[in-house]
Amino acid sequence: QVQLQESGPGLVKPSETLSLTCTVSGASISRDYWSWIRQPPGKGLEWIGYIYRGGSTNYNPSLKSRVTISVDTSKNQFSLKLTSVTAADTAVYYCARDRGTHNGMDVWGQGTTVTVSS
Amino acid sequence: HSVLTQPPSVSGAPGQRVTFSCTGSSSNIGAGYDVHWYQQLPGTAPKLLIYGNTNRPSGVPDRFSGSKSGTSASLAITGLQAEDEADYYCQSYDSSLSGWVFGGGTKLTVL
Repeated sequence: QVQLQESGPGLVKPSETLSLTCTVSGASISRDYWSWIRQPPGKGLEWIGYIYRGGSTNYNPSLKSRVTISVDTSKNQFSLKLTSVTAADTAVYYCARDRGTHNGMDVWGQGTTVTVSS
Repeated sequence: HSVLTQPPSVSGAPGQRVTFSCTGSSSNIGAGYDVHWYQQLPGTAPKLLIYGNTNRPSGVPDRFSGSKSGTSASLAITGLQAEDEADYYCQSYDSSLSGWVFGGGTKLTVL
């Protein structure tokens, strides 16, 4: 079955860049949409952005100036970079397979906690 | 605040029926975009519960159902069970933002 696994540093200093990778197994990264979503402590879900068709992207307007999502088809992975982080970026970060407007996000990673602190 | 509005909490006794509302606008639900619902058990990742307004993924019990009308959508749970205690989120597409939006989530307490 399809599985997603997030990986990356759990602690990032303010003003630095947060970098996470999502490794996909059981499905090809070249198909479907692949999203990043985050959840600050005690708060709701926030969509960060997605990548599809091997490289096209769409980002949340509130984060667009700081976000880059990319894909490595050779490793079946996609990645998130968020620049100039602050404490407000502290959250659990999830990656998910996104089946589009009609089908929702049907497979999620377990999530990885990222804390922004000096 | 969230683009999609959900009540912060809902409660019900075992065996009862509870409903969750998700209110949007003419740029998302009212524009005809589908609504999806997710269940997030404590300490776990969200799980797709309802997609395309009314459809259940394989493995989701038929106690869970979804509906949509106008600028709102609803999730219903019948025969409430203790293990249904979780946070529930709605999601749709918003044409003004050109991206996905989530509701703020509703916490279900089983009394």
